[in-house]
Amino acid sequence: GIQVEQSPPDLILQEGANSTLRCNFSDSVNNLQWFHQNPWGQLINLFYIPSGTKQNGRLSATTVATERYSLLYISSSQTTDSGVYFCAVGGGGSQGNLIFGKGTKLSVKP
Amino acid sequence: NAGVMQNPRHLVRRRGQEARLRCSPMKGHSHVYWYRQLPEEGLKFMVYLQKENIIDESGMPKERFSAEFPKEGPSILRIQQVVRGDSAAYFCASSPTSDGEQFFGPGTRLTVL
Repeated sequence: GIQVEQSPPDLILQEGANSTLRCNFSDSVNNLQWFHQNPWGQLINLFYIPSGTKQNGRLSATTVATERYSLLYISSSQTTDSGVYFCAVGGGGSQGNLIFGKGTKLSVKP
Repeated sequence: NAGVMQNPRHLVRRRGQEARLRCSPMKGHSHVYWYRQLPEEGLKFMVYLQKENIIDESGMPKERFSAEFPKEGPSILRIQQVVRGDSAAYFCASSPTSDGEQFFGPGTRLTVL
């Protein structure tokens, strides 16, 4: 099956700093999503981005499908950005399920 | 448009009891997925259903676990004779297509005493 690796596993930032989270996957995919799991356990959709670049406020994401990686950029980080960021990919068709990476745990200090 | 709804949000069961978890997908979504998150781990796929059909149950334990998505009503994940190892957060997601964006519910946190 498809393997998903996220880096770094842990990240500590000072408020206001920028960061880049990476997601590598082992095979072609037709679905890639980024999620933020907040400290209360809720999964928040950030991006649906099987290819290309998208931006939403201070967050942006880029997926290079041919090279099998995706990047999530967080600019001017805030304490509310703390939590775990998951990348998940899907192979599509009858394999509609998402395969999750182990996540990047982000702590933003005031 | 209401999001994916799950209930109950928290469920406590004693070993040997049954747990029933419910999921109502977003309006217009006919594809439902169940995932399990053990403490300090990522989410693992369990089962994928479309109305009245199980499409893929490759992630579901062979015994004690079952899922359904009837023509009317929510999707149900049923765990019989629960054990302590079943304690986890169970998330449901829905999508309008098989490879479309999946939207997640708030989860049901199951604790087995």
